[in-house]
Amino acid sequence: TQLLEQSPQFLSIQEGENLTVYCNSSSVFSSLQWYRQEPGEGPVLLVTVVTGGEVKKLKRLTFQFGDARKDSSLHITAAQPGDTGLYLCAGQDQGGKLIFGQGTELSVKP
Amino acid sequence: DVKVTQSSRYLVKRTGEKVFLECVQDMDHENMFWYRQDPGLGLRLIYFSYDVKMKEKGDIPEGYSVSREKKERFSLILESASTNQTSMYLCASTSGGAFYNEQFFGPGTRLTVL
Repeated sequence: TQLLEQSPQFLSIQEGENLTVYCNSSSVFSSLQWYRQEPGEGPVLLVTVVTGGEVKKLKRLTFQFGDARKDSSLHITAAQPGDTGLYLCAGQDQGGKLIFGQGTELSVKP
Repeated sequence: DVKVTQSSRYLVKRTGEKVFLECVQDMDHENMFWYRQDPGLGLRLIYFSYDVKMKEKGDIPEGYSVSREKKERFSLILESASTNQTSMYLCASTSGGAFYNEQFFGPGTRLTVL
């Protein structure tokens, strides 16, 4: 069974700080997605990365897929309270199913 | 605006009851999924379906069954609810074709089994 280890599980920071969330596996994934979930809602897709070494930017969020397609990171610059939520990484296995990490609960205080 | 809806946001049932969770999508998606979400465990796949009347077991199918009689509707059934099935249940759908299509999620049903 493929596993995705996400760290840290909890992160509480002040507005304006930078942070990085990591998603690691011993397995290779065809692609990797990052979702954000707010309380009372389902996850919403932020980005999909497909190519090893790929970097994508979404405003203050930077996503990177490892060269070997086994790991990924999400970096947020100058975090804002609106960034608060649960961040989930999900790798797509060879059969097309998504394997989710445990999630990172981010709290950004004003 | 694309939408995945789930029949209930909150549900409280007793041990041994039969429970139906309904999910409807209006995007004409071929693929539909049921996950459960527990703190520290992320989302775990229970069952999925790639077509009407078709179903495949996910990673944790024990104690659950599903039904897909129409393309837009995917139901999750707990034949005899148990306390360890207390969880958040999320339905998702995605179109066929591309290998890494976005999954669209419903708002979730928080089920408590007493």
